[in-house]
Amino acid sequence: AQKVTQAQTEISVVEKEDVTLDCVYETRDTTYYLFWYKQPPSGELVFLIRRNSFDEQNEISGRYSWNFQKSTSSFNFTITASQVVDSAVYFCALSSYNQGGKLIFGQGTELSVKP
Amino acid sequence: DARVTQTPRHKVTEMGQEVTMRCQPILGHNTVFWYRQTMMQGLELLAYFRNRAPLDDSGMPKDRFSAEMPDATLATLKIQPSEPRDSAVYFCASGLGGTGKPEQYFGPGTRLTVT
Repeated sequence: AQKVTQAQTEISVVEKEDVTLDCVYETRDTTYYLFWYKQPPSGELVFLIRRNSFDEQNEISGRYSWNFQKSTSSFNFTITASQVVDSAVYFCALSSYNQGGKLIFGQGTELSVKP
Repeated sequence: DARVTQTPRHKVTEMGQEVTMRCQPILGHNTVFWYRQTMMQGLELLAYFRNRAPLDDSGMPKDRFSAEMPDATLATLKIQPSEPRDSAVYFCASGLGGTGKPEQYFGPGTRLTVT
């Protein structure tokens, strides 16, 4: 079975702090994809990043960075110098190449960045 | 800027009434997904289509829910009869399944309240 676990339900930080959101996944498939989505207070789900199971290279995009480690089945997301606009619920998700692309979501981590 | 659109954005209805939600996927996308978000269950897949053909609707209560794609620009999700436990936010997402680009782009959602 496939599963995504985001153990942190809520995180609160002060602006300019760095914060890491954890994501652990389970799958028996050898080819799969991992994603992060952001859900701001407005409610829409915004795609942030996708990683393929065969590509463990970490990625940085501005203040955002992602650390993918197959050995620990983790795909963690770090925000550097957090800002109030980063306040949102962040979802980690998994899809399998063999299962049509449907997303299995974690329960989400609610990030609150205070000024 | 191509986006998935959903109508209505909000719907309040009484138990037993029929509800129809509509989704216009991003032009050129071949895969359409319906997800439901609740506090208790989080984000869960209801059904999805590839090239307008239903691939999986195992997440849907079959006795009251139905999903269709009358054409490539319209997907519908219907609940008949609706029940209070159907109250949730229903998201439509579209993507380019089977092309090596598995990320899905979400619409703004339909917030359904059944009284």
